[in-house]
Amino acid sequence: AQSVTQLGSHVSVSEGALVLLRCNYSSSVPPYLFWYVQYPNQGLQLLLKYTSAATLVKGINGFEAEFKKSETSFHLTKPSAHMSDAAEYFCAVSEAAGGYNKLIFGAGTRLAVHP
Amino acid sequence: GAVVSQHPSRVICKSGTSVKIECRSLDFQATTMFWYRQFPKQSLMLMATSNEGSKATYEQGVEKDKFLINHASLTLSTLTVTSAHPEDSSFYICSAPGLAGERYEQFFGPGTRLTVL
Repeated sequence: AQSVTQLGSHVSVSEGALVLLRCNYSSSVPPYLFWYVQYPNQGLQLLLKYTSAATLVKGINGFEAEFKKSETSFHLTKPSAHMSDAAEYFCAVSEAAGGYNKLIFGAGTRLAVHP
Repeated sequence: GAVVSQHPSRVICKSGTSVKIECRSLDFQATTMFWYRQFPKQSLMLMATSNEGSKATYEQGVEKDKFLINHASLTLSTLTVTSAHPEDSSFYICSAPGLAGERYEQFFGPGTRLTVL
């Protein structure tokens, strides 16, 4: 069985500050991990994914995440927040990297960016 | 990348009526599509996997007779909420596997907000 825990339902940062969104996973098989972003009343957009290659994964919009097996974590970071980063972020886990596999989502973290 | 559309984007209906939501893959074929449900300020929960030419696979706890899924073609899956009630009000999102470079990933539709009065 797989599950995802996102610590912090709301995170607020100043524009230009570091963004850190936390994600911990549980999986009985080697996991494939994803971060998605959702803007209000829209679907999800893939930010980045870990597929057992490099543990540091770079995504779109300046985001990156590091897979740490010893900590069962896949935290999302961005060095400098922009106002346009304000959105809901979801961490997800799957048993395989391909798009045909079930995604298990965390509860989400709402990121607020203030001037 | 691949584009998935949903129609309608919003629907309001009376309790007891049925509502059909369409999910289309616009520029690619999808033998599989996924239907998710998202309650306000909550995560996405997978409801079912829609399979072209065969029956949908429902997740535990999802009522098959209430949420009817029909994967009519390689580009269209429909979700019908039958005899809708206020507790069915939610944001319904579909996704379909599409090629991103050399690999497949799930592409999500923009969602359909259902409000049952």
